[in-house]
Amino acid sequence: EDKVVQSPLSLVVHEGDTVTLNCSYEVTNFRSLLWYKQEKKAPTFLFMLTSSGIEKKSGRLSSILDKKELFSILNITATQTGDSAIYLCAVALHGSSNTGKLIFGQGTTLQVKP
Amino acid sequence: DTEVTQTPKHLVMGMTNKKSLKCEQHMGHRAMYWYKQKAKKPPELMFVYSYEKLSINESVPSRFSPECPNSSLLNLHLHALQPEDSALYLCASSQFPEGQASRNTIYFGEGSWLTVV
Repeated sequence: EDKVVQSPLSLVVHEGDTVTLNCSYEVTNFRSLLWYKQEKKAPTFLFMLTSSGIEKKSGRLSSILDKKELFSILNITATQTGDSAIYLCAVALHGSSNTGKLIFGQGTTLQVKP
Repeated sequence: DTEVTQTPKHLVMGMTNKKSLKCEQHMGHRAMYWYKQKAKKPPELMFVYSYEKLSINESVPSRFSPECPNSSLLNLHLHALQPEDSALYLCASSQFPEGQASRNTIYFGEGSWLTVV
């Protein structure tokens, strides 16, 4: 069975801290791994990763994929209270029968305290 | 512009009511999706429309009926729902149902919060 596991499930840090969120996966027909940030509404897209070892960066956020060890990390440096959210990792699958399927992890709830 | 628009944002309906959720995108995306998300759980796929045709139904009960009138619109018709169907319903779209991953990010709308009483 395809599965995506995130850790930790929840995390409390103070502003300015650096955090690392983990996502491991076991799926057949891997196509890509996506990170989303979800506050009180819909998930907003952060990154899509398809190749190992290539870091994607957007401001204070960065992410990298290891297709050999089947995991990805999402780093947030100099955290701010506005980073408080649920961070979802999802894996997209290849194949016509898997069209549009995203296998989501449970999410990591990040709380950044002032 | 990566906007997927959903209406209504909030809906309260009785178990005998018939209502619809609507979703619209003007990005020229050819794949559209309905997801259901319960509190503190990740989104779960319900339906996929590929080039306006239903391509995946994840064994969703028939009280949920999707419709894709054209390439920009996706509806979810609701009838005889149960209280356990209360959830956030997310619409999403992507440029292609399949194809190059680098062009196929799935974008979500803000969701419709549904409460069944």
